[in-house]
Amino acid sequence: DTAVSQTPKYLVTQMGNDKSIKCEQNLGHDTMYWYKQDSKKFLKIMFSYNNKELIINETVPNRFSPKSPDKAHLNLHINSLELGDSAVYFCASSQDGYQPQHFGDGTRLSIL
Amino acid sequence: EDQVTQSPEALRLQEGESSSLNCSYTVSGLRGLFWYRQDPGKGPEFLFTLYSAGEEKEKERLKATLTKKESFLHITAPKPEDSATYLCAVQKKAAGNKLTFGGGTRVLVKP
Repeated sequence: DTAVSQTPKYLVTQMGNDKSIKCEQNLGHDTMYWYKQDSKKFLKIMFSYNNKELIINETVPNRFSPKSPDKAHLNLHINSLELGDSAVYFCASSQDGYQPQHFGDGTRLSIL
Repeated sequence: EDQVTQSPEALRLQEGESSSLNCSYTVSGLRGLFWYRQDPGKGPEFLFTLYSAGEEKEKERLKATLTKKESFLHITAPKPEDSATYLCAVQKKAAGNKLTFGGGTRVLVKP
C-alpha cells in the first residue's frame, strides 16, 4: 500500500488555467505538507497543516490555496497558472511536526 | 538567514570506492538534521535524523555524523544501487515543523 499518494503524477496545462493536485496519506499522521522542487532540485516548503489547521504558509502567492478536508488529505489548488509555476510538487506527512517526513512521488506540473 | 549547503554537487564513484558527502549549515537553534535519499522520479526517502553534535547513525553502507557546523554522510564500499541524490535538511527549534533543504549531492556509482 502506498503511504503518501499524489494524483495526478503529470499535469500539462496552459497559462491562465486553474488546476488541483490531490494528496492522501494512509499512515495515520497528523501533519501534512506541500513542497515545491524547482529545476535546480531545491525543495522548498510551501504549506504545512496539522489536524486540518494551517501551520506554515511560506510567502506563497495567494494563487495557491491548500485545502485539508480531513487529516488524511491535503489538496493544492492553483489559480491562473504562470510559467514559473512549472516544477515538481511533493506532498509529505509526519506523525507530528518533529518526526521524519514521508514524501509522495511528486506531481510534475508543466505550463505551456 | 538559515542556510544549508551541500558539497560536492555531483560525485562519480567506482563500485567499492568509499567517499563522504558534506552538508554545512548555518542555523540558530538546531532541533535536528535530516538525511534523505531521492531516486529519479521519486520522492525523498528518509534515512537518518541527527539531533546533537557527536551523534552518529548507521544504515547498511551509510553512516551519518554531526558537528556544530556540518554533517557528513559516509558511503562505505558503495554499490551501483547506492546511486541517487542525497539531500540534507535542518529543522529549527523555533520554526515549528519547517525543514530547510540543501541542494543535494548526485551520486553515481559505476560497476
